[in-house]
Amino acid sequence: ETGVTQTPRHLVMGMTNKKSLKCEQHLGHNAMYWYKQSAKKPLELMFVYNFKEQTENNSVPSRFSPECPNSSHLFLHLHTLQPEDSALYLCASSQEWTGDPTQYFGPGTRLLVL
Amino acid sequence: QQQVKQSPQSLIVQKGGISIINCAYENTAFDYFPWYQQFPGKGPALLIAIRPDVSEKKEGRFTISFNKSAKQFSLHIMDSQPGDSATYFCAASRASGTYKYIFGTGTRLKVLA
Repeated sequence: ETGVTQTPRHLVMGMTNKKSLKCEQHLGHNAMYWYKQSAKKPLELMFVYNFKEQTENNSVPSRFSPECPNSSHLFLHLHTLQPEDSALYLCASSQEWTGDPTQYFGPGTRLLVL
Repeated sequence: QQQVKQSPQSLIVQKGGISIINCAYENTAFDYFPWYQQFPGKGPALLIAIRPDVSEKKEGRFTISFNKSAKQFSLHIMDSQPGDSATYFCAASRASGTYKYIFGTGTRLKVLA
């Protein structure tokens, strides 16, 4: 595997379900991000992890719970979601403090909340 | 202060034509301006990026023009091809520390064969 991978690629869940999204980066980066992409809206930064420590939480509802066990893996735990949470969830990684701000994105998980 | 405004929302161009997408930002602390290209079913991928110490950057058929005083930057796609049909996002960020991108709303480009 190369780059940034995300599983599952598609997920349908009910409002009472609990599920998790997984992201893995194979680039040796030290920062990872979760974004939400909804139609006709800018990509919304949700969480930032730097060296496994959460450095940013953009006022995300508590029904989204991130976890970063190491600098290569990032999870997004979902519970009691709402239909308006249906979106494409993108993971990205970058190498902080190098002067190269490029973020590398995974293919995303398309989430549908019924 | 944190917004990046992108236009147009959609664009249709004939093959061989020039595609132009514009972005404007508000925060003068931003010093890194990337453009991302996204195909259906894929994540965004970096296309080209510019820093404010230059007014133009060219990579193949893709050019960024940057106007620091107007706080605007644009993407020009020369000799547009059907394979360029995708959604394009501009973004702005600081180029140091934690790279928190502020994205535009995206432009859906369709190049007609």
